[in-house]
Order: sequence, then structure tokens, then C-alpha cells
Amino acid sequence: DQQVKQNSPSLSVQEGRISILNCDYTNSMFDYFLWYKKYPAEGPTFLISISSIKDKNEDGRFTVFLNKSAKHLSLHIVPSQPGDSAVYFCAAPHMEYGNKLVFGAGTILRVKS
Amino acid sequence: NAGVMQNPRHLVRRRGQEARLRCSPMKGHSHVYWYRQLPEEGLKFMVYLQKENIIDESGMPKERFSAEFPKEGPSILRIQQVVRGDSAAYFCASSPDSGGWETQYFGPGTRLLVL
Repeated sequence: DQQVKQNSPSLSVQEGRISILNCDYTNSMFDYFLWYKKYPAEGPTFLISISSIKDKNEDGRFTVFLNKSAKHLSLHIVPSQPGDSAVYFCAAPHMEYGNKLVFGAGTILRVKS
Repeated sequence: NAGVMQNPRHLVRRRGQEARLRCSPMKGHSHVYWYRQLPEEGLKFMVYLQKENIIDESGMPKERFSAEFPKEGPSILRIQQVVRGDSAAYFCASSPDSGGWETQYFGPGTRLLVL
């Protein structure tokens, strides 16, 4: 049962342009969403989060948008930089089950210089 | 370094051997989570522990896998009689005990290869 889905396995963007990574979820009980960034051979690094009471959260070049009615969220990176090239995971804590995180399969972002 | 520590970073075992993976949470964190990432997949929850207690082990395979988080020392994920399908990256995450939701911070992972 894949409750968090990232349907784009990869995305390629030119340096300086906007990167948009998408995530869909099926569990309407999810109240909180996170984005993690992962480089090869490293652990996931927390990037940005959003509570379901908001529809937008911004942190520097990173903005997450949440559309609860569509059960969809997206991460915008602008301007994209070569150092942003990594795998991005969308995740949601399952509050009823000790806050374990449910992850999407990830999207590989490549930023070309 | 106040981050989550995991060791070893790489572990090679032959089929039938035991694997022990260690995780030291961030200072002040009392919640530990273990996740597994199989090749080409996202991270999957395995087990959630607090000091001396297993809170949720719904993601753990029923056999050969066990986890502990003793009062003193790191959390241990133990895999007995490893098989090739156990080859994966195992990540530990920790969070503080605030009574509510807290962001989980991940360690660098242990990459297990079963020959």
C-alpha cells in the first residue's frame, strides 16, 4: 500500500531555472509532510516541512506547496544549483503509529550547469 | 559531531552469518527509528524504539531480525542468518521526546552486502 507516491523517477533542470518535484498521498489522516534530500552514500537530510494547516512554507530557495483537496504537494527550488543534484524524498509521519515516516520512492534531480 | 552516528558504514557478510548494526542517536534524543532502503526503492520503516522499549516493530520481518535500545549504549539492529535479500542500506533516525511530532534526523547509514 503505497500511501506516498512520487511518480517522477527523475528530473533534469538547467542551472538557474526552477525545479518542481511532485508528491501525492492517499491517506487523508496525514497532518504533516517533509522533504528530505539524499546524496549517494549518505543519509537523508531534512530539508523543509509543512503542516496541513498551511498551504505554503518557504525557506530560502526552497518552497513547499500543499493542496489538501488534491492530496498533492510540491517542492520548488529556485534558482536551481548544481549542488542541488540529489535524490529528493517526500515523507509523512503516521501519527497513529508512533510517527513512523512513510516515504515516497524518491525523485532524482539533476541540475545541469 | 552532534549528529546521528551509525557504524559500521559498510558491512560484508556471507549467507548464514549474523549482522549487527549500531546507532547512536543525537544528544538529547530518546527516540530511535530504523529504516531500510532496498536498491531502487524508498526508505521503509522497520522499528521504533525508546530507551529499553520497543514501541512499534510492525515493519520488522517476523524472523531473524531484532532490535534493542538499552538504557546505556547505542541501539542495535541484529540480523541473524543473513540472506542475499537482506542486502540493503539501513538507516537510523532519532528525534527528541517532546510529546508531539518532532522531525527525525538520519544517520549516514550502514550498507550491508550479503555474499
